[in-house]
Amino acid sequence: KAGVTQTPRYLIKTRGQQVTLSCSPISGHRSVSWYQQTPGQGLQFLFEYFSETQRNKGNFPGRFSGRQFSNSRSEMNVSTLELGDSALYLCASSLTGQLYEQYFGPGTRLTVT
Amino acid sequence: TQLLEQSPQFLSIQEGENLTVYCNSSSVFSSLQWYRQEPGEGPVLLVTVVTGGEVKKLKRLTFQFGDARKDSSLHITAAQPGDTGLYLCAGAVRAAGNKLTFGGGTRVLVKP
Repeated sequence: KAGVTQTPRYLIKTRGQQVTLSCSPISGHRSVSWYQQTPGQGLQFLFEYFSETQRNKGNFPGRFSGRQFSNSRSEMNVSTLELGDSALYLCASSLTGQLYEQYFGPGTRLTVT
Repeated sequence: TQLLEQSPQFLSIQEGENLTVYCNSSSVFSSLQWYRQEPGEGPVLLVTVVTGGEVKKLKRLTFQFGDARKDSSLHITAAQPGDTGLYLCAGAVRAAGNKLTFGGGTRVLVKP
């Protein structure tokens, strides 16, 4: 079974721009969660989608948004990028939800200059 | 202050030695997961524990969940260089609305 894939793997953007990251979950998984990982703050939960509905949300500003499509693929969008948004963005998929078995993708490394 | 505290933050040991990593919270976990992350990759799930007092073994790794479900430990016996990585605990804490919260991580280096 193919693992979780994320595209692109690396991205460089300028302050004020917006960015869209994509995640394809493991086939059959209906839950997709997004996380931000930085050296200072560690791994922080952004949001979880299950069957196209946002089921849970972390404490991030409204500039961070996401969606899930009918085939379970998910995208996250960050608008008006700030330098502090530079991070590794990870997506994880699960059959039932983030509280149980989760499988992470390799992440997208976003650098904001 | 992190909702989940991991200790130590960094551990450097020689191949063959044992090590223990701790994960603590002042709140009760609904469930708790342990992950290992290597550079350039996403975390890989090692184990999920849900029952207080539970002990799970995965080859040389032993995971314990505290009776009160507020703490957990990961013990590695006879560590090998392949055990090198960032070990993360993640728990669903009622105080955080049952969202998954990660600890700060323990970076383990096993020298040959």
